[in-house]
Amino acid sequence: GDSVTQTEGLVTLTEGLPVMLNCTYQTIYSNPFLFWYVQHLNESPRLLLKSFTDNKRTEHQGFHATLHKSSSSFHLQKSSAQLSDSALYYCALSLSSNMGYKLTFGTGTSLLVDP
Amino acid sequence: GGIITQTPKFLIGQEGQKLTLKCQQNFNHDTMYWYRQDSGKGLRLIYYSITENDLQKGDLSEGYDASREKKSSFSLTVTSAQKNEMAVFLCASSIAGTDNERLFFGHGTKLSVL
Repeated sequence: GDSVTQTEGLVTLTEGLPVMLNCTYQTIYSNPFLFWYVQHLNESPRLLLKSFTDNKRTEHQGFHATLHKSSSSFHLQKSSAQLSDSALYYCALSLSSNMGYKLTFGTGTSLLVDP
Repeated sequence: GGIITQTPKFLIGQEGQKLTLKCQQNFNHDTMYWYRQDSGKGLRLIYYSITENDLQKGDLSEGYDASREKKSSFSLTVTSAQKNEMAVFLCASSIAGTDNERLFFGHGTKLSVL
């Protein structure tokens, strides 16, 4: 079935270093929509960025990701981590059908940025 | 802007008890969702509803019932609480029928079963 894989449960790095959170997916749907949601402590998840265009970089709030259908990947990157980036990050896959729209999430990656 | 309100914020139950969680949204969104959040397991879909009185099972529907009697509200029932169960239940909503859409989440109901 359809699934999203986030291999890292926890990523710890020092402020100023680059961030890369991995996301791969599996689906029979030929035109998937991929999303990154971020959840800060004691807050609800909110959309960070999204894409449905192959090989096109999408950016928001200093983060960027590129959907690569050839490798079924949608990794999240940032050039320089900030303390405020510490949060839980979810990659998600849209599965649209005539049964309605639903989102399948990965298991999440906790990012902890140290000073 | 709109808001999603989940009640209660904290819910403590007894093993075997039937427990109901409520969700209200004023976005006028068509689709509403219930997700369960467990550490290390991500967000797993329990039920969703694309319109009033519609119900669709998610991957984790066993042990739960849901009800969408009004467009603005979506309730979830844990049919028999499991001992030592702890989880956060997140309600969300979105506009139906469009791809590439986003979910808006409530702040969650934290469940603890004694």
